[in-house]
Amino acid sequence: DAKTTQPPSMDCAEGRAANLPCNHSTISGNEYVYWYRQIHSQGPQYIIHGLKNNETNEMASLIITEDRKSSTLILPHATLRDTAVYYCIVRVGGGSNYKLTFGKGTLLTVNP
Amino acid sequence: KAGVTQTPRYLIKTRGQQVTLSCSPISGHRSVSWYQQTPGQGLQFLFEYFSETQRNKGNFPGRFSGRQFSNSRSEMNVSTLELGDSALYLCASSSTGGLGYTFGSGTRLTVV
Repeated sequence: DAKTTQPPSMDCAEGRAANLPCNHSTISGNEYVYWYRQIHSQGPQYIIHGLKNNETNEMASLIITEDRKSSTLILPHATLRDTAVYYCIVRVGGGSNYKLTFGKGTLLTVNP
Repeated sequence: KAGVTQTPRYLIKTRGQQVTLSCSPISGHRSVSWYQQTPGQGLQFLFEYFSETQRNKGNFPGRFSGRQFSNSRSEMNVSTLELGDSALYLCASSSTGGLGYTFGSGTRLTVV
């Protein structure tokens, strides 16, 4: 799986958009970008994934650059409950690779 | 529908003992993965089972083993416990192991 690089920490004001960047310059054509988050002492929670098109769901939006070397997870209106470690993961969808390789992620702190 | 259930939530064991952790996946999910999370190493993949067969294994010693039953419930076993095995053990289930995984809340194991 391609390696990802994320900033170790970010701050965001409550109610504002949180934009979390991720670099994955060695991504292959068949690798998806996944985002998970982990709130303290809980299991990781799936947020969103995409291949090359931008994606949006009820939790967030995922913007993937045209060359697919980086992406941004957007939480449109961050709340205090969005304080968590956010993981960007790149992996082949399905096939014979059935594991998620987590990096250190970004600790997002939403401030009142 | 019910999420991924892990039991017990907390466990304290003595060095040299062995331990068995249990995971009940979401109904209908046939893939179950196990992860270890420690402050130093982060989230690391242990193994993944699908239809009672281990499909992937992480880089852990043979003291770590697992199995999956016909109802997709899974157990992992750690023998001859060491202090370094103290960690949060997380289980995740997926319908096919291809895309989104749902994690349980984990079992926090403390080895003394």
